[in-house]
Amino acid sequence: EAGVVQSPRYKIIEKKQPVAFWCNPISGHNTLYWYLQNLGQGPELLIRYENEEAVDDSQLPKDRFSAERLKGVDSTLKIQPAELGDSAVYLCASSRGTRGTEAFFGQGTRLTVV
Amino acid sequence: GIQVEQSPPDLILQEGANSTLRCNFSDSVNNLQWFHQNPWGQLINLFYIPSGTKQNGRLSATTVATERYSLLYISSSQTTDSGVYFCAVLLDSGAGSYQLTFGKGTKLSVIP
Repeated sequence: EAGVVQSPRYKIIEKKQPVAFWCNPISGHNTLYWYLQNLGQGPELLIRYENEEAVDDSQLPKDRFSAERLKGVDSTLKIQPAELGDSAVYLCASSRGTRGTEAFFGQGTRLTVV
Repeated sequence: GIQVEQSPPDLILQEGANSTLRCNFSDSVNNLQWFHQNPWGQLINLFYIPSGTKQNGRLSATTVATERYSLLYISSSQTTDSGVYFCAVLLDSGAGSYQLTFGKGTKLSVIP
């Protein structure tokens, strides 16, 4: 069974530019998470989807961040415009069902904003 | 929100030594996971353990949900065990929405 796939693995952009990250969850997993991990810290939730619905986006900075999960499968996370402080690793995870089952993570996208 | 505290923050071991990592959490949780983040940043699932004890090779974990803590045991450590170990708890934040909250991790360095 393929794991969670994220792309790109690395991205370097200039500040004020837009950037997008893509995530393909494990087949059959209804729940999808986007997490942000700063250096030396644990991952922090940005948004959680159950199928197509964003059920928890309270931590998503909506002025510049947006996410979508069309058809309840793949998801994209966008930042526009990027700021220097957005440099971090963006992790995607998925889990089967919608009641807190075991989550599996992708390899992440390391974003550097210069 | 729920607080997840891990200790120690840093740990240096000689290869072959044993260690215990601790995770305390401030509220009742629905579930708990332990992860190993390797030097390339990948989070590897170690245990999914709401209560009781599980073992996988040289690693084992125990969660005592009523006392709000979990322990991860590493025996006969190897250099490949180096990395950051995270505890993450699953909490029902209301209306059936489950949120996975991480601690800050324990950075383990195993030296030959």
